[in-house]
Amino acid sequence: EAQVTQNPRYLITVTGKKLTVTCSQNMNHEYMSWYRQDPGLGLRQIYYSMNVEVTDKGDVPEGYKVSRKEKRNFPLILESPSPNQTSLYFCASSLYAGAFNTEAFFGQGTRLTVV
Amino acid sequence: QQPVQSPQAVILREGEDAVINCSSSKALYSVHWYRQKHGEAPVFLMILLKGGEQKGHDKISASFNEKKQQSSLYLTASQLSYSGTYFCGTEDSGGSNYKLTFGKGTLLTVNP
Repeated sequence: EAQVTQNPRYLITVTGKKLTVTCSQNMNHEYMSWYRQDPGLGLRQIYYSMNVEVTDKGDVPEGYKVSRKEKRNFPLILESPSPNQTSLYFCASSLYAGAFNTEAFFGQGTRLTVV
Repeated sequence: QQPVQSPQAVILREGEDAVINCSSSKALYSVHWYRQKHGEAPVFLMILLKGGEQKGHDKISASFNEKKQQSSLYLTASQLSYSGTYFCGTEDSGGSNYKLTFGKGTLLTVNP
């Protein structure tokens, strides 16, 4: 089954404790991205990756890192989480980006709480 | 910059129609529409490319006015299953900006 898999689905952590949210897709997609969703703000892009060689900042990258060492995986890293990073996070992938943009497939989300 | 969606929320009775609008301050290459049900991931509805193409998906269709930098989503004879939050996502013209920027969403509630 074609899917984007995020782990964990729920996470409660303390301020400053490094964490990683994993994202994996099995559709051989080139483009992957991370979004955070907050009430009243919609989906805001954190980072995106055109392919394994190109990664760039989205609209709200502060406090986050990403890594794209292989095509299928795109983990989101919070080196020192703070309470303002409490949010619902979605990973998404699509076949291409830019002029050949196609539909994005979203993971099931990770609800992160930083206390 | 996020596209602006209107209305923010709409309540319908089953069988009624609705229109959701999405506008941008930038020239657009494409507009995407997604629906998200409560507690679930957003799900793709359709993409519209510049050229004013109108697309349909069951009783849901959309238009894209490139000159006005606007798109509208039309929901006809709404069903209970249409309830959810609708997001438009825009991709700017320009070639190098590979970002899909979403609006804040429109909450659609369909009641029996």
